[in-house]
Amino acid sequence: AQSVTQPDIHITVSEGASLELRCNYSYGATPYLFWYVQSPGQGLQLLLKYFSGDTLVQGIKGFEAEFKRSQSSFNLRKPSVHWSDAAEYFCAVGRATSGTYKYIFGTGTRLKVLA
Amino acid sequence: ETGVTQSPTHLIKTRGQQVTLRCSSQSGHNTVSWYQQALGQGPQFIFQYYREEENGRGNFPPRFSGLQFPNYSSELNVNALELDDSALYLCASSLDSNEQFFGPGTRLTVL
Repeated sequence: AQSVTQPDIHITVSEGASLELRCNYSYGATPYLFWYVQSPGQGLQLLLKYFSGDTLVQGIKGFEAEFKRSQSSFNLRKPSVHWSDAAEYFCAVGRATSGTYKYIFGTGTRLKVLA
Repeated sequence: ETGVTQSPTHLIKTRGQQVTLRCSSQSGHNTVSWYQQALGQGPQFIFQYYREEENGRGNFPPRFSGLQFPNYSSELNVNALELDDSALYLCASSLDSNEQFFGPGTRLTVL
């Protein structure tokens, strides 16, 4: 079945430490890939996206992600985490199925930042 | 350029009632997709409307229905509400099958 997996439900890092959030997908072809952030009680904010081309994508708030076709992964990274980065992060795949283009989301990774 | 807007922001209903959620698309977009995000979960695709016709549906029962209007705004209707329908409902608009832009969501609580 087509799916998006975020293996880490919770991650805790210290402020200033580096961060990597994992995302794997299971699709035959290269889909469109997205990372969103969601603060409590809020909607989704797009951090970055990958459609094609350079496999290292830069996003907002100092985030970047790298698409690795061989590993079917699209991991999100940040070199130095700030306390305001505490939130839930969702990886998503954009995929056309039976003529419908829709997004399939992972279950999310909740990031906690220690002062 | 106005982004995607949704109304209301929050609402509370009781089991068995019916609810209508509204979404205004971003200017120039002709496609609206609805997603349900239960607590602690990622958003799940409910259905999509393209040029006023349903264009795909996720694994949701028929009591979830929708409409799209000539101005491409959309409604999500849920009949016979159940406790498990409590969730954040997200609307996303796009131009054809391109990148989707999400609204802020409507939080529905069913008591």
